[in-house]
Amino acid sequence: DIQMTQSPSTLSASVGDRVTITCRASQSISSWLAWYQQKPGKAPKLLMFKASSLDRGVPSRFSGSGFGTEFTLTISGLQPEDFATYYCQQYNNYPLTFGGGTKVETK
Amino acid sequence: QITLKESGPALVKPTQTLTLTCTFSGFSLSTNGVGVGWIRQPPGKALEWLAVIYWNDDKRYSPSLKSRLTITKDTSKDQVVLAMTNMDPVDTATYFCANLGSSWYIRYWGQGTLVTVSS
Repeated sequence: DIQMTQSPSTLSASVGDRVTITCRASQSISSWLAWYQQKPGKAPKLLMFKASSLDRGVPSRFSGSGFGTEFTLTISGLQPEDFATYYCQQYNNYPLTFGGGTKVETK
Repeated sequence: QITLKESGPALVKPTQTLTLTCTFSGFSLSTNGVGVGWIRQPPGKALEWLAVIYWNDDKRYSPSLKSRLTITKDTSKDQVVLAMTNMDPVDTATYFCANLGSSWYIRYWGQGTLVTVSS
């Protein structure tokens, strides 16, 4: 199985901040990485696929980068609605695996 | 518009078998490349992928749970069923079903159903 490791597990930030979350894969996954945002009591929402492709309707303040084993999700100008937990997921092969999550909380 | 909804018991006893049904609309599980999968999330913890079934009846399972899982589809009813045997309190989680296309990221999720395992 490919292990996905996210850091940090918790991030304290303020509205307007630039926030970066890192996801590392235990082996190369090319660009086959997705990012999700999840709010309490809700299903995850797809933000990004293929490491850097923004899904439909996702604000452009979200961006993704990386290839191989190291990836980042950046939020440029954190908005109140962005306080949530973020997960990465590799889909290079089965079993599909998720990172442990990064909770973005108010500083 | 693609929608998915999970249904099943909210409470099961240890050692029992959990059976969950995913009823979907807006797509067909007869269409080339389409799959429906299950993901779970224990309270306060991360997401864990469980299983997927594809239009051609190809099935994939989480290796750690493979011996306990069975996924099946009923194309005529637009339903996918997940069975998990020998339930334990550690299996307490919200169970989500999801639409997977030919790419294996997930754009469409069900709302999730909380299953508690307790005697």
